[in-house]
Amino acid sequence: LAKTTQPISMDSYEGQEVNITCSHNNIATNDYITWYQQFPSQGPRFIIQGYKTKVTNEVASLFIPADRKSSTLSLPRVSLSDTAVYYCLVGGPENSNSGYALNFGKGTSLLVTP
Amino acid sequence: DADVTQTPRNRITKTGKRIMLECSQTKGHDRMYWYRQDPGLGLQLIYYSFDVKDINKGEISDGYSVSRQAQAKFSLSLESAIPNQTALYFCATSDGGQGNYGYTFGSGTRLTVV
Repeated sequence: LAKTTQPISMDSYEGQEVNITCSHNNIATNDYITWYQQFPSQGPRFIIQGYKTKVTNEVASLFIPADRKSSTLSLPRVSLSDTAVYYCLVGGPENSNSGYALNFGKGTSLLVTP
Repeated sequence: DADVTQTPRNRITKTGKRIMLECSQTKGHDRMYWYRQDPGLGLQLIYYSFDVKDINKGEISDGYSVSRQAQAKFSLSLESAIPNQTALYFCATSDGGQGNYGYTFGSGTRLTVV
């Protein structure tokens, strides 16, 4: 199971772009990279997923270099409501024989201030 | 109605009491999970189940037990509650699809053991 390393915390001002980098040196060939967001006292929710290169949706962008040993979640023009914990997870397709459950870890706590 | 429903939302119990936290889902997912969250420690996996007949221990299963009564129901029990089990508990489901895209979390149960 690929281990991930991400910063414990980050601070930003409103309107800035925030980039959170996650290291996953032992990512497997069939692993995807997925990011979740968690607000206080709520369960995490899916933000974005990618396999390689760049993925963009209405919430964020995910940049994955060719070697896939790291990835960067980019939040454009953050607002106060983006204050949350962001989890980087790496894993592949699960099946009943060799499947596993995700360990979310501590994530990155992002604080956005005015 | 929520896709993943946890009951109760809040519970205060005394040391030594047996308590059950319940989780039900309407997602039709085979895979269900129980996580615990303490302040500053992220999410820790307690137990997970990939189908009705499959139960697996997670990182911190000591002091907990589970029951998968049906595809839609997964209960977590504390046989003899102790104060350091005071935490926020989350139930989640997944579809086992690629890259762990399909995790859906409940709203959580805040448990206080006094």
